[in-house]
Amino acid sequence: AQSVAQPEDQVNVAEGNPLTVKCTYSVSGNPYLFWYVQYPNRGLQFLLKYITGDNLVKGSYGFEAEFNKSQTSFHLKKPSALVSDSALYFCAVRDMGAAGNKLTFGGGTRVLVKP
Amino acid sequence: EAGVVQSPRYKIIEKKQPVAFWCNPISGHNTLYWYLQNLGQGPELLIRYENEEAVDDSQLPKDRFSAERLKGVDSTLKIQPAELGDSAVYLCASSSTSGVRTDTQYFGPGTRLTVL
Repeated sequence: AQSVAQPEDQVNVAEGNPLTVKCTYSVSGNPYLFWYVQYPNRGLQFLLKYITGDNLVKGSYGFEAEFNKSQTSFHLKKPSALVSDSALYFCAVRDMGAAGNKLTFGGGTRVLVKP
Repeated sequence: EAGVVQSPRYKIIEKKQPVAFWCNPISGHNTLYWYLQNLGQGPELLIRYENEEAVDDSQLPKDRFSAERLKGVDSTLKIQPAELGDSAVYLCASSSTSGVRTDTQYFGPGTRLTVL
């Protein structure tokens, strides 16, 4: 079985400050990891993914994420947050050893960036 | 490139009524997914199609939910009869190549269903 935990329901950060959204995962094999962002009344937008290779993955809108196998984590980061980054962020995992392309999502973290 | 299209965007019905949602995936994507998203939670897979075949429908409540993808492109998800607990956002997603496990899933805007 595969699972994802996003331990923070909400993260508050001042504009211009660094932003981190935490994610830990559990899979029986090697993971594929994804981050999505959801704005109000919108679908999920793909930000970035880790498949293999460099542990630091760069994605859209200045976001990046670091894969840490020993800590089974894939935290999302942005060096300088914008008010427009306020949204709901979802981490998702897929087990490389499992058949099909089934993603398991975390419960989401709401990010509020204050001016 | 056009994204995943869903309609309607919003639907309000009374309980026990039927409802249907439509999805048109990104052109060339042969894998299509329907997800259920409850308020403040992550999406949960209902059914996955590879072309016209439903290859994973283990989470679909088959007593009231049904889905089809007759020509391997558009898909329809139906609920009959709807219950109060079905109020949620129904998301459709697609990815490019079945069996390629690294494929990214791209999501539509969703249909927000309210059952009164």
